[in-house]
Amino acid sequence: DQQVKQNSPSLSVQEGRISILNCDYTNSMFDYFLWYKKYPAEGPTFLISISSIKDKNEDGRFTVFLNKSAKHLSLHIVPSQPGDSAVYFCAASSNNAGNMLTFGGGTRLMVKP
Amino acid sequence: EAGVAQSPRYKIIEKRQSVAFWCNPISGHATLYWYQQILGQGPKLLIQFQNNGVVDDSQLPKDRFSAERLKGVDSTLKIQPAKLEDSAVYLCASSNGGFRGGELFFGEGSRLTVL
Repeated sequence: DQQVKQNSPSLSVQEGRISILNCDYTNSMFDYFLWYKKYPAEGPTFLISISSIKDKNEDGRFTVFLNKSAKHLSLHIVPSQPGDSAVYFCAASSNNAGNMLTFGGGTRLMVKP
Repeated sequence: EAGVAQSPRYKIIEKRQSVAFWCNPISGHATLYWYQQILGQGPKLLIQFQNNGVVDDSQLPKDRFSAERLKGVDSTLKIQPAKLEDSAVYLCASSNGGFRGGELFFGEGSRLTVL
């Protein structure tokens, strides 16, 4: 039972354009969402997060949007850079599960120069 | 500040053999996690420690997997006997517990191949 899904296994974008990575969840108890970035042979690193009391959070080139009614979140990267090429995981947690994170399967982003 | 340290980075064993992975979290981090990441999938939590106590091990296959965190610092994850489906990257992560939703700091992982 996949509670967090990233339906696009890969995405290719031209440098300078917008990258949009999508994530869907099924558990209505999730109230905190995060995006992690992973380069090959490295562990995931935290990128940006959003609480369910918000619908948008911005950090530089990265913006996360949350649509609670649709149980959908997205990560926008503008402008995309070749160094952004990595696997992106969305993750979710609920207040009654402490710091336990449930991860999606990841989307591989390739930014072409 | 030193990050999360894991060893070994790579391990190849035959099925039914045993293997152990070691993790040293970021200094001062009370919470430690072991995740299993199978190729093409997201990390799956195996066990979570708070200091040296287990918070959640509901997804740990206890018939073959064991983990301990003696003295609330380093941790060891053991698999005995290994199965082919245990081939994965084992990620250790730590957090200081003060960030709701768990901004976890991951190590580079230990890649296990079971033949």
